[in-house]
Amino acid sequence: RKEVEQDPGPFNVPEGATVAFNCTYSNSASQSFFWYRQDCRKEPKLLMSVYSSGNEDGRFTAQLNRASQYISLLIRDSKLSDSATYLCVVFCPSGNTPLVFGKGTRLSVIA
Amino acid sequence: GAGVSQTPSNKVTEKGKYVELRCDPISGHTALYWYRQSLGQGPEFLIYFQGTGAADDSGLPNDRFFAVRPEGSVSTLKIQRTERGDSAVYLCASSLSRSDNEQFFGPGTRLTVL
Repeated sequence: RKEVEQDPGPFNVPEGATVAFNCTYSNSASQSFFWYRQDCRKEPKLLMSVYSSGNEDGRFTAQLNRASQYISLLIRDSKLSDSATYLCVVFCPSGNTPLVFGKGTRLSVIA
Repeated sequence: GAGVSQTPSNKVTEKGKYVELRCDPISGHTALYWYRQSLGQGPEFLIYFQGTGAADDSGLPNDRFFAVRPEGSVSTLKIQRTERGDSAVYLCASSLSRSDNEQFFGPGTRLTVL
């Protein structure tokens, strides 16, 4: 089982739609969780950290379920500019590698 | 500059050659990371420096790969006897200190081994 798993997509959604991405991780000792965004042929950039209580940043909401080892990202009112790959990232200091990236979920928002 | 810079942006080399990839982190960032990203994959961790020392090099695929950060700032990733399978984008990132802080990525070096 891969350490961090994501549905690769692509998710093709119309502008204004709500879309949700899921991510599961295998190491129960994982401590910190993040969503990064990566545009085509560009470097990843931090979108948001994920806290146990869940957190919201504008149209973006991140949730963490430690019991199920599951992270989610919800995007409301999708914009064309949201089109990108969304990377789920897990930090586990006791793991083989400290910061593990998922393969990413590709989102295309269509006019 | 304000961000992480990497040079060269593109490198084409022949199988068996030696290459060096350079990373200049954000000033004041003590932690520096190297990743490799292949098409359709997420970044794959290679090595992490805290200051001048390699705190974790468990991601280096084999002994052809080596990285240094002699003065705790600029880092160089060195690949000996390159193979076609080494072709990828090599990303460098830096963070203020601990490895769970936000990482700021450079634009990457696209390495192509012919």
